[in-house]
Amino acid sequence: QVTLKESGPALVKPTQTLTLTCSFSGFSLSTTGVRVSWLRQTPGKAPEWLARIDWDGERFYRTSLKTRLTTSKDTSKDQVVLTMTDMDPGDTGTYFCVRHGILGSTRGNWFDHWGQGTLVTVSS
Amino acid sequence: DIVMFQSPDSLAVSLGERATINCKSSQTVLDGLNNQNYLAWYRQKPGQPPQLLIFWASTRESGVPDRISGSGSGTDFTLTISTVQAEDVAVYYCQQHYSTPYTFGQGTKLEI
Repeated sequence: QVTLKESGPALVKPTQTLTLTCSFSGFSLSTTGVRVSWLRQTPGKAPEWLARIDWDGERFYRTSLKTRLTTSKDTSKDQVVLTMTDMDPGDTGTYFCVRHGILGSTRGNWFDHWGQGTLVTVSS
Repeated sequence: DIVMFQSPDSLAVSLGERATINCKSSQTVLDGLNNQNYLAWYRQKPGQPPQLLIFWASTRESGVPDRISGSGSGTDFTLTISTVQAEDVAVYYCQQHYSTPYTFGQGTKLEI
């Protein structure tokens, strides 16, 4: 059974750095083809993709946020970490980690398993 | 970035009726090499994360009932719920999984 769970601070101040951890089970990020992404969502809006990390360490970032985002993995702990610098009230939202879909030997970029999300509020 | 647009923004149907949600992408999400359309559908109920329903435009995720189906190709796609049930009340999103940044439509709220 695949599960993902996000953890981190519920409240951060403007200009601070946010660090979120995704702890997962039921799969390994050392397995060829496995991918994990981070997304965020504000109330009433669609999810917004932020970053992706692959089994081989390759990373992809949303262009508009690239200078502020870093994602890394710790395969021994089955965890992925997202850091976002220079937080702003506009970054307030629920942050999700997700696993990319797998069908047979095909690795896709749809999201078949989601964490419950963690609400992050940016306020002084 | 590929922009996704859904219509309508909201939809009210009676139990047992058909619901149809449309999604249009600003550029094709059809891969000419494998003839697959890189389009997914999700539904999200209040307080829950989105749930995957469909990927590759028409492939149903495991456990999704067959009254939910996806169709379309290129830039125009449709999600159909053949007989709406109370559990289908949710917001529905399309997502292109063709290229980064992966992008979603603005959502369609389905009400009974």
